[in-house]
Amino acid sequence: GNSVTQMEGPVTLSEEAFLTINCTYTATGYPSLFWYVQYPGEGLQLLLKATKADDKGSNKGFEATYRKETTSFHLEKGSVQVSDSAVYFCALRESVKTSYDKVIFGPGTSLSVIP
Amino acid sequence: NAGVMQNPRHLVRRRGQEARLRCSPMKGHSHVYWYRQLPEEGLKFMVYLQKENIIDESGMPKERFSAEFPKEGPSILRIQQVVRGDSAAYFCASSQRTGSYYNEQFFGPGTRLTVL
Repeated sequence: GNSVTQMEGPVTLSEEAFLTINCTYTATGYPSLFWYVQYPGEGLQLLLKATKADDKGSNKGFEATYRKETTSFHLEKGSVQVSDSAVYFCALRESVKTSYDKVIFGPGTSLSVIP
Repeated sequence: NAGVMQNPRHLVRRRGQEARLRCSPMKGHSHVYWYRQLPEEGLKFMVYLQKENIIDESGMPKERFSAEFPKEGPSILRIQQVVRGDSAAYFCASSQRTGSYYNEQFFGPGTRLTVL
C-alpha cells in the first residue's frame, strides 16, 4: 500500500543553519505531496504542497520539489529560526479516484532550533 | 471565522470508562476526518464522515470505537471501555467539499487522551 517515510529525528540545528528533512514515498499513480507542520500543543497546519512531478512547493522560506524519479519530496530551508522549532510531517494524497481526500502521513520529524 | 474546535483538550479516563471526544468543524465545512497520533508516531486515519453519514471507517478499530456527525451539533468520537493502549492524541480535521483536486484539511488542536 501507499506509505511515507521520513528521516528520523530529533534534528537539532543552530539558528541560521541550513535545513533538510528527507521524505520518500511509495504510491501507485500520481499522488499529491504535502508538508505539514505541528507547533507545540497545536494541530497540524499545511506548510506547502505539490501536485505533480517537478512542481516546487514553497512557503515561509521552506521549499520542497516533487521528484518522481526518486519518489522524494525533501523539505529545505536556507536559514532556520528558533520559531521554526516544530514537528514536520510529510504526507501524500492518494491519486486513486475516491470521493474524498484521503491523506497518508509520515511519522514526523522533530526539529529544534537553538539560538 | 473560528477554526476547527475540539474539546476537551485533555481527557483522563480510567480503564473501562467511556471517552467522548467532540469536534466542531470550521464554518461552512461539511466533511470531518478523525486521526489518531500515538506517541512518537505520525497521524493515522481513522474515519471520514459527512453530515449524518460515515463514508470511510477503514482506519477505525472494529470494536469499542464509533463516530458520528449528526445533522446538528459536533462530530463525536466515542471510545467505550478504554484501555491503556487508547492513550493518544486524537485530531479532527474538516474540509469544505470534495472534488477532483485537493481540498485542504484544517486541523483542530487535538484531544489528548490519557488512560490510567
